[in-house]
Amino acid sequence: DAKTTQPPSMDCAEGRAANLPCNHSTISGNEYVYWYRQIHSQGPQYIIHGLKNNETNEMASLIITEDRKSSTLILPHATLRDTAVYYCIVRANTNAGKSTFGDGTTLTVKP
Amino acid sequence: DTAVSQTPKYLVTQMGNDKSIKCEQNLGHDTMYWYKQDSKKFLKIMFSYNNKELIINETVPNRFSPKSPDKAHLNLHINSLELGDSAVYFCASSQASVWAEQYFGPGTRLTVT
Repeated sequence: DAKTTQPPSMDCAEGRAANLPCNHSTISGNEYVYWYRQIHSQGPQYIIHGLKNNETNEMASLIITEDRKSSTLILPHATLRDTAVYYCIVRANTNAGKSTFGDGTTLTVKP
Repeated sequence: DTAVSQTPKYLVTQMGNDKSIKCEQNLGHDTMYWYKQDSKKFLKIMFSYNNKELIINETVPNRFSPKSPDKAHLNLHINSLELGDSAVYFCASSQASVWAEQYFGPGTRLTVT
């Protein structure tokens, strides 16, 4: 599985967009970009995933650069409940692989 | 209704004991997983399982074994518990034999003394 690099922490004002970057320069052609988050003491929660096209769902948008070496998760209107650790994971969409969540980015949404 | 549930939520036991953690999902998914999150918050997959195959992370000691009585359940058995087994264990499930869109349980905090 490709290695990812995320900033350890970020702050965002409530109601503003939160843009969380992820670098994955060694991504392979068959590997997807996944985003999960973990709110304190809870199980991880799936947010979104994509291969090469930008994706949007009710929770967030995923912007993947054309060379696929980096991506950005966008929470359009952050709320206090979005405070969590956000994990960017790059891997093939199969059950093979070690599938380790990295260090993630701790997003703190402030009033 | 809870989609993925685990019992117990907390488990405190002594070294050398054998214990089990239960996991149930009511989503109709055919693949289930076990993850371990250590004290550094590093989340690592241990097993993925459907009715066709078990994929084991080779770094997992053979003291850990998943048992699936049916498609909705994947229990984790741990023999001869060690101090280093202390962690939070998460169960998860997904719709197909692919990794996307997993639903996680609330976790079981295991403390080995």
